[in-house]
Amino acid sequence: DQQVKQNSPSLSVQEGRISILNCDYTNSMFDYFLWYKKYPAEGPTFLISISSIKDKNEDGRFTVFLNKSAKHLSLHIVPSQPGDSAVYFCAASEGSNFGNEKLTFGTGTRLTIIP
Amino acid sequence: GAVVSQHPSRVICKSGTSVKIECRSLDFQATTMFWYRQFPKQSLMLMATSNEGSKATYEQGVEKDKFLINHASLTLSTLTVTSAHPEDSSFYICSAYEGGTQYFGPGTRLTVL
Repeated sequence: DQQVKQNSPSLSVQEGRISILNCDYTNSMFDYFLWYKKYPAEGPTFLISISSIKDKNEDGRFTVFLNKSAKHLSLHIVPSQPGDSAVYFCAASEGSNFGNEKLTFGTGTRLTIIP
Repeated sequence: GAVVSQHPSRVICKSGTSVKIECRSLDFQATTMFWYRQFPKQSLMLMATSNEGSKATYEQGVEKDKFLINHASLTLSTLTVTSAHPEDSSFYICSAYEGGTQYFGPGTRLTVL
């Protein structure tokens, strides 16, 4: 039972353009969402998060959008850079103790930025 | 940001032996750490929640007698894979909570021959 789904296993984007990574979830109890970036043989690196009381959070080139009614979130990266090439994981948690609750991860999307 | 380390980064062992993996929070204290496992081309799956000074909480389907977790201090949690078998070969990652975010270690690649 995959509660967090990333339906696109891979995505290729031209350098300088916008990268949009999508994530869907089924558990209505999730109220905190995170995006992580992961290189091979390394642990995930936190990128950006959003709580369910917001619909948008922005940090530099990264913006996360949350549509609670659709149980959908997306990560926008603009402009995309070669160093952004990695696997991106969407994760979700329940409860109000942000970050201290266990995370449920999606299956990941491999982003490749084409120079 | 907070730094979490893991040791070793890579280990190869024979079937039937036990392997200990350490997870340390280097610049903060963590009452709660998490252990994940990732199989190739799959998501990170939570194995257990490690609580300082108390027993770990295991996810459904994870054998607590096989994956022993000890969280003896606020900066160290250990995962021991007992009587390892080839199917235990995987990438094991720990995380710790700091300032509202979970920070992950670099992972440990376990290969059981």
